[in-house]
Amino acid sequence: NAGVMQNPRHLVRRRGQEARLRCSPMKGHSHVYWYRQLPEEGLKFMVYLQKENIIDESGMPKERFSAEFPKEGPSILRIQQVVRGDSAAYFCASSAFRGLNTEAFFGQGTRLTVV
Amino acid sequence: DAKTTQPNSMESNEEEPVHLPCNHSTISGTDYIHWYRQLPSQGPEYVIHGLTSNVNNRMASLAIAEDRKSSTLILHRATLRDAAVYYCILTRSNDMRFGAGTRLTVKP
Repeated sequence: NAGVMQNPRHLVRRRGQEARLRCSPMKGHSHVYWYRQLPEEGLKFMVYLQKENIIDESGMPKERFSAEFPKEGPSILRIQQVVRGDSAAYFCASSAFRGLNTEAFFGQGTRLTVV
Repeated sequence: DAKTTQPNSMESNEEEPVHLPCNHSTISGTDYIHWYRQLPSQGPEYVIHGLTSNVNNRMASLAIAEDRKSSTLILHRATLRDAAVYYCILTRSNDMRFGAGTRLTVKP
């Protein structure tokens, strides 16, 4: 059973371009969480999705950022018109149930560099 | 949001036990206490979680105070591979909100 897969592992974008980050949850998991981690800082919650639904996007910037988790395929975090401040590691996690009494499994992250 | 307070850093010697404290005085009755750790350049890794009773697994033990306002993660014999940032998190409804964590340094 493969773990949470994120790709690409490293992504370089020029200012103004779009970045698309993919997250394939563990088999059988229908709950996905996205986090952002700036260098030398902790993880900041961005969004929680369940298949085809955004449950909580309270940590997501209002502009340029969007997330989806379609019925088929990976979850996508999309950043439009990237700026240097978007440079960070983006982690996704998946769980089989809502997060109260279950463990979440994290991917290895996508490191986005905006030049 | 219920918050947790952890020391910024701790040091341990290899082969010795480590007790990592976490205060969560505003915990509610339905909050679970989770611990994750993040090794350098890797994604977070689940360690252990509990509600009221102490918990043991192959990685660690979790001791929860009777009033649930604090907990302690116990690594029974620290190894160099245990050097990481350890996060204590209260899970409530949909989210897991991470704090700054405790950076554990293990000395040989």
